[in-house]
Amino acid sequence: GQQLNQSPQSMFIQEGEDVSMNCTSSSIFNTWLWYKQDPGEGPVLLIALYKAGELTSNGRLTAQFGITRKDSFLNISASIPSDVGIYFCAGANYGGSQGNLIFGKGTKLSVKP
Amino acid sequence: GAGVSQSPRYKVAKRGQDVALRCDPISGHVSLFWYQQALGQGPEFLTYFQNEAQLDKSGLPSDRFFAERPEGSVSTLKIQRTQQEDSAVYLCASSFRNKGPPETQYFGPGTRLLVL
Repeated sequence: GQQLNQSPQSMFIQEGEDVSMNCTSSSIFNTWLWYKQDPGEGPVLLIALYKAGELTSNGRLTAQFGITRKDSFLNISASIPSDVGIYFCAGANYGGSQGNLIFGKGTKLSVKP
Repeated sequence: GAGVSQSPRYKVAKRGQDVALRCDPISGHVSLFWYQQALGQGPEFLTYFQNEAQLDKSGLPSDRFFAERPEGSVSTLKIQRTQQEDSAVYLCASSFRNKGPPETQYFGPGTRLLVL
């Protein structure tokens, strides 16, 4: 099935560092979402973006909906240990019978040894 | 209120066995989605219900996979004659609305299926 291009695949963080990840698609979406998934749990929504060019923050998290509607990025500022986990981007086109999410393969955040 | 719940949380099946996975969406949520998540991958769409109507089943990998939501609330994903490649986490998600302004989906914890 289709999956979005998400990068980086993994990264190591030290507490206090800023983190950036992005997601690109060959298709246009009218909604971009960012989720975090902890081991043994389902994805939990972090930020939802509904308009091209929109920049939205949720605490230390900031995400943007690309102008072309084919990309999005997520920034985490001043990372803390509980930021560790897997982050997924997802695109969707809501309306009519559509509504399923197309996910990226994820970015795994780990703590630097 | 309570979130999306799924049962069982873990299921081990012998190859060829039939399995049934249950999803209880958030009360009042119109839309219900099933996703399959292979190890190290993002979730992939399987099927979508709006109330009791199955509007999209384009993601079901084979005719061994069948989903239903007869009363527009609880949903069951059934896999017949399970194969090893069916081993994955099966996630259920629900959302309140199905049209108009985009709405977000809330995920359950998933059922981990291992086919031996």
